[in-house]
This record gives sequence, structure tokens and C-alpha cells, in this order.
Amino acid sequence: SQQGEEDPQALSIQEGENATMNCSYKTSINNLQWYRQNSGRGLVHLILIRSNEREKHSGRLRVTLDTSKKSSSLLITASRAADTASYFCATDARSGGSNYKLTFGKGTLLTVNP
Amino acid sequence: EAQVTQNPRYLITVTGKKLTVTCSQNMNHEYMSWYRQDPGLGLRQIYYSMNVEVTDKGDVPEGYKVSRKEKRNFPLILESPSPNQTSLYFCASSPLDPKRTEAFFGQGTRLTVV
Repeated sequence: SQQGEEDPQALSIQEGENATMNCSYKTSINNLQWYRQNSGRGLVHLILIRSNEREKHSGRLRVTLDTSKKSSSLLITASRAADTASYFCATDARSGGSNYKLTFGKGTLLTVNP
Repeated sequence: EAQVTQNPRYLITVTGKKLTVTCSQNMNHEYMSWYRQDPGLGLRQIYYSMNVEVTDKGDVPEGYKVSRKEKRNFPLILESPSPNQTSLYFCASSPLDPKRTEAFFGQGTRLTVV
């Protein structure tokens, strides 16, 4: 089952602009994570926000989490051509003790034009 | 260097010929998982393992087997591959600590079944 759903599916912007991607999920979570994937390569972890946090920053990345709406957003400021990649949200949902599952959405393809 | 190593990176095989994709991590992580990535479908979890000798089905387990005899290794076995298993496969590992469940991914195995 798909826990996280990113929106939009694709985003094309000019270098220097900000890029915002959204993620919605369905069940209670322990934390939510964002990953980046360059074409055909492995995913790389960007940032993790816990369920009791509302906002987190890392360099040019800003993540927000609204557990009441079951949604998160990833903002990349002052984008660069090198930011061109697919971005995925992943939810860490726990059920029944320590049973743990990390579920990924389908991703947003970000293209930053020079 | 902390890493997840998958082998092979590329594989072309024929229908019905058993194959194994290896995955090894050097971070002493308890949790390991296999995903397949297909266009338009995102990352889908095949199997996961919470620790040695503890494995469970993900969302798309049919046609796959796994084993976890050692903490560092989590091979994916296709007993009788079929063309619909042509895909990009990723192995990932992460700690089970709820505060730091960031996943580390291998570089991927592109499998073609003809």
C-alpha cells in the first residue's frame, strides 16, 4: 500500500527559484523522511522530521510537518541545476510493538533549468 | 565508509533461471529491506527483515525469497524469474532506533528477464 503520495509528480523551475514539494500520508507515523534520487541511482537521505516536530531546516532545505492534516512539504531554496533529481517522502510507521516499516511515495521529479 | 553494497549492478537473464542478488551493509543495522522501482509506480517494498532470522513480506513479495542468516547480508532470490520481474532493485538498511531510522541505499541492480 502506498503511504506517502508526493505532489506534484513533476516540477520544472529556473535556477535560483524555490521549489516546493508536498507529501500526504494516511496513517499515524513515527517520523517522515525525504530522500533524493539522481537518475537510476540509489536514494540518498536528506532530512528526517519527527512526529512531534513542525519544522526543520538543513542548509537550503526546509521541511514542515502537519500531523493533523497528515502532510509534509519540502522546500528547496535558491535552486541549482545540480538539484535536478527525483524527491521521495517516506513514512516510518510503527505498529504492534517494534514492528517497523518505511514506506515510500512515488516521488516528484524536479528539473532545474540553468 | 558506511555503505550498502549490491551485486551485480546489471543482470540480464532468461526466464526460469534462478538468480540471487546480494546485499551487504557494514553499519551493523538491524533493519534491511528490498525494493523494486518501476516507472509510475515508485518504490515498492518486496521483503524486509527486522534482524537475523526475522523476515517478513512487504507489498509485492510474490516470486521472491530472502534470507537473513547474518546481520550484514540480505540476499534476494528469484527462484524462477519472469519478464514481469524486470525492474530496478534496491537494497536498504537502517537502524531500528525510532530516533534515527534513516535508510541507506545500495546503488541498485538493474535486472532484465527475457
